[in-house]
Amino acid sequence: GAVVSQHPSWVICKSGTSVKIECRSLDFQATTMFWYRQFPKQSLMLMATSNEGSKATYEQGVEKDKFLINHASLTLSTLTVTSAHPEDSSFYICSARTARPGWPQHFGDGTRLSIL
Amino acid sequence: DQQVKQNSPSLSVQEGRISILNCDYTNSMFDYFLWYKKYPAEGPTFLISISSIKDKNEDGRFTVFLNKSAKHLSLHIVPSQPGDSAVYFCAARSRSNFGNEKLTFGTGTRLTIIP
Repeated sequence: GAVVSQHPSWVICKSGTSVKIECRSLDFQATTMFWYRQFPKQSLMLMATSNEGSKATYEQGVEKDKFLINHASLTLSTLTVTSAHPEDSSFYICSARTARPGWPQHFGDGTRLSIL
Repeated sequence: DQQVKQNSPSLSVQEGRISILNCDYTNSMFDYFLWYKKYPAEGPTFLISISSIKDKNEDGRFTVFLNKSAKHLSLHIVPSQPGDSAVYFCAARSRSNFGNEKLTFGTGTRLTIIP
């Protein structure tokens, strides 16, 4: 149980395009979903937290107009990188959890984004 | 400012022996600590956790120890098996200004079990 599916796993696109990444909880209801970014040889850095039906809360230094997050249902959250540029190239990974106390975050497999 | 540190980027251990992975933290507001295991091309998988009010939690071959005064935790795996070869991340939980859970991760330790 506790499977989180992330799609796509890898995307390459031209500078200036927008890219949408989906994160789905397959066998549980995710009241909260998280989006992380990881640069090479660095740790996962939290970008934003989204609670179902609410606006996402962004960590300091993360541009909310650049990284649009939608969490419209208990099983789906999306991250859209708008007008992507080469400096947005990174590994993006989502996680999800229920409201149950003590329940850990469960992670998707991540998306490797390369902007040319 | 790295609040969670895993100072050993890699560790090699003979199969059957004990693997000890270490993690240090600086923020005394962390209230929960977790260990995740990651295989290549996959997301981190939850392994074991410990509340800040405890000093030990055990689950099968995995035991996590917490020393709050030293701001140090460790993961013990015994006996180590080849399938344990992976990257292990230490994570610490705090609350954001909005009350949301926030995990701060270390940079990971690559564990290799030698058959």
